[in-house]
Amino acid sequence: DSGVTQTPKHLITATGQRVTLRCSPRSGDLSVYWYQQSLDQGLQFLIQYYNGEERAKGNILERFSAQQFPDLHSELNLSSLELGDSALYFCASSGGLGTDTQYFGPGTRLTVL
Amino acid sequence: QKEVEQDPGPLSVPEGAIVSLNCTYSNSAFQYFMWYRQYSRKGPELLMYTYSSGNKEDGRFTAQVDKSSKYISLFIRDSQPSDSATYLCAILGGSQGNLIFGKGTKLSVKP
Repeated sequence: DSGVTQTPKHLITATGQRVTLRCSPRSGDLSVYWYQQSLDQGLQFLIQYYNGEERAKGNILERFSAQQFPDLHSELNLSSLELGDSALYFCASSGGLGTDTQYFGPGTRLTVL
Repeated sequence: QKEVEQDPGPLSVPEGAIVSLNCTYSNSAFQYFMWYRQYSRKGPELLMYTYSSGNKEDGRFTAQVDKSSKYISLFIRDSQPSDSATYLCAILGGSQGNLIFGKGTKLSVKP
């Protein structure tokens, strides 16, 4: 158990809908990273927050957004969902920035029908 | 050219075999290299973390980085059925800590 929690475990929804994925980092970790894992693209970095502020952006679509709250938990919002958004979404946390080890949560499996 | 390339396998070996997993990368500026293991329906877990060139050993696992060839390897000695998983190489891609992953190699160790 990495200490990173994610809810829900599974999410099934329809195209055009909006969902929110939640992540609680390990106790004391200030950085939260979101990754998307699909069969064709592999594991790809989406966005990173550090102590409430956005610090880095990867291949995140404009339909996706995220935030980190004062208690350090983070939410990833996915809107106007398309079939191609079906994937595993992972959250990882680390103590700080840069070279700190990232610990991954168990993931949320999103299925868009 | 992709930043990190990894043969997806699958790779099937008998128990006790030595396993060699490899990745290549394109940017010579990369300095930090990792190997993650991912069991089916689980999140990736860090196995090895190395800086720059050289070898690092941890039990049955050895990570090797050859910066001149832009090649990273993970060796598993005396492989066990419990090693059956997908192995992902990862490189620290930016100063903020975002990781660039290979697509992963699926390993199956047969008893």
